[in-house]
Amino acid sequence: DQQVKQNSPSLSVQEGRISILNCDYTNSMFDYFLWYKKYPAEGPTFLISISSIKDKNEDGRFTVFLNKSAKHLSLHIVPSQPGDSAVYFCAASETQGGSEKLVFGKGTKLTVNP
Amino acid sequence: DGGITQSPKYLFRKEGQNVTLSCEQNLNHDAMYWYRQDPGQGLRLIYYSQIVNDFQKGDIAEGYSVSREKKESFPLTVTSAQKNPTAFYLCATQWTSGYNEQFFGPGTRLTVL
Repeated sequence: DQQVKQNSPSLSVQEGRISILNCDYTNSMFDYFLWYKKYPAEGPTFLISISSIKDKNEDGRFTVFLNKSAKHLSLHIVPSQPGDSAVYFCAASETQGGSEKLVFGKGTKLTVNP
Repeated sequence: DGGITQSPKYLFRKEGQNVTLSCEQNLNHDAMYWYRQDPGQGLRLIYYSQIVNDFQKGDIAEGYSVSREKKESFPLTVTSAQKNPTAFYLCATQWTSGYNEQFFGPGTRLTVL
């Protein structure tokens, strides 16, 4: 029973174009959402987050959008660069639940072609 | 130099042997977590601890054990009862109040031969 789903295992875009990575969740109690970037054989690095009181958060080239009614969030990378090629994980937590555990999706491998 | 240290980077063990993976942090974070990553899979939570001398099972705790005797350290033991121990193991830390991200260590690749 996957509570956080990333339905696209891979995505390929051209350098300079927009990358859109999608994530769906089923638990309506999730109120904090995060995106991590991961290179092979390394630990994930935090990219950007959003709380459920917002519908958009922007940090440089990265923007996360949250649609609570659809239980959907997306990460936009504009413009995409070859160095953005990595696996991107969506994660969610229920901060009021007392444990603050993160639930991760299975990841989307982004390839940015020069 | 603050951060999370996992050692070693690569670890090989024979089947049937217990092995302990190290995780040390000097970020003064309260909570620590152990995850496992398999090819094509997301990160699955093994154990976590929000305070010294206390820890909780995650989604896949069977065959693993942990201890939290110090705030800075959260070692994970992979026992011989774990049926598929070969994986990439990640340790993470977090402040426990408010909306906070988890910070990850570099990981340990365990291969059981």
